[in-house]
Amino acid sequence: QVQLQESGPGLVKPSETLSLTCTVSGYSITSGYYWGWIRQPPGKGLDWIGSIYHSGNTYYSPSLKSRVTMSVDTSKNQFSLKLSSVAAADTAVYYCARVPHTCHGACSLHYIDYWGQGTLVTVSS
Amino acid sequence: QSALTQPASVSGSPGQSVTISCTGTSSDVGGYNYVSWSQQHPGKAPKLMIYDVSKRPSGVSNRFSGSKSGNTASLTISGLQAEDEADYYCTSYTSSSTLVFGGGTKLTVL
Repeated sequence: QVQLQESGPGLVKPSETLSLTCTVSGYSITSGYYWGWIRQPPGKGLDWIGSIYHSGNTYYSPSLKSRVTMSVDTSKNQFSLKLSSVAAADTAVYYCARVPHTCHGACSLHYIDYWGQGTLVTVSS
Repeated sequence: QSALTQPASVSGSPGQSVTISCTGTSSDVGGYNYVSWSQQHPGKAPKLMIYDVSKRPSGVSNRFSGSKSGNTASLTISGLQAEDEADYYCTSYTSSSTLVFGGGTKLTVL
């Protein structure tokens, strides 16, 4: 059974960098899926942040691309998110997830089949 | 990229059927058969209910079905049950190699 667990600080100061890690169990992240991050501001809808392959190939949301960096640590079966220059609007529950895909030259992301439980990150001084 | 358009809320009585629409463009919903639907109960992570427009993951009730016509996808829930009350989100792949969500629909079982 695939399980994902987010970890990281629950409080980040404005203008600083938000850093989260997702630990995957029950499945190797090198076994052929993209992995991603999604966030949900309190009381609002879901917002796709981006996805990464174990090779390091990434796809980012155009609206967040300038502030987002994703990385993979295959030795720990983990992937990570960094979001720079955060503001109050970045306060949200952050989810990590598994993303099935196909590749014919470029890759197409299909859907999200497994989600972590989510972690609330609050941006406040 | 703009969020896909869903109705803010729908409702139905137990045993009835409801349909939730998800409207995009030819660059997302209309251009690919990569539309999915997720169910989210309060305080919980979303759960995949439909993928690739109309396929059901193992373990999901056959009361849930999906379809697509042009730039609009639909989720139909038949035989409504109290446990179906939740928020529903559509997701689509886009021509920019990204995923985009709908704004979400709150389903109320009367």
